[in-house]
Amino acid sequence: GENVEQHPSTLSVQEGDSAVIKCTYSDSASNYFPWYKQELGKRPQLIIDIRSNVGEKKDQQIAVTLNKTAKHFSLHITETQPEDSAVYFCAASLEGNNRLAFGKGNQVVVIP
Amino acid sequence: NAGVTQTPKFRILKIGQSMTLQCAQDMNHNYMYWYRQDPGMGLKLIYYSVGAGITDKGEVPNGYNVSRSTTEDFPLRLELAAPSQTSVYFCASGVKGAANEKLFFGSGTQLSVL
Repeated sequence: GENVEQHPSTLSVQEGDSAVIKCTYSDSASNYFPWYKQELGKRPQLIIDIRSNVGEKKDQQIAVTLNKTAKHFSLHITETQPEDSAVYFCAASLEGNNRLAFGKGNQVVVIP
Repeated sequence: NAGVTQTPKFRILKIGQSMTLQCAQDMNHNYMYWYRQDPGMGLKLIYYSVGAGITDKGEVPNGYNVSRSTTEDFPLRLELAAPSQTSVYFCASGVKGAANEKLFFGSGTQLSVL
């Protein structure tokens, strides 16, 4: 089955700096890659997603890039703010497109 | 719309007890999911449903059961609770399925089995 790995597990950045989280996946048939943000004690919420026919997508301060050949995709957060501190989960679609395989999550800490 | 509503928010069970985690959504979504979240382990799929009357196993279904008699409700049943089932449980729903567009998550149920 699909295996999704995230690196690094924890990332600390100074406020205003950029943060980059990378995920790798194993199934070349995966075609949908969302990122979910989970603040402490809260529910996961989708922040951005990308499909396999697109190489990059931006939404304000966040962007996602996809490299299908290398089977990895990355989340880029620019001009980080304390409210960006959270756990970020990447995921990849599984065959049949009814399910997702989630990574273990990255803890991002933005230091004021 | 209330979105996805989960009850209870917290529960402590003794080993061997049973309980049902309730999940309801008012968005007329066909797809519903149950995940468990263990510390540092991400989200693991327990069961999912693509519509009323249809359920399928996910990655970690052992010790759980589900039913989907209506579009709105997707309860998760724990029979003979074990300490390994201590976790945070999230229910989620979507219009077209997890791999097509975003999932809406409930607020979670913190379950401890002692």
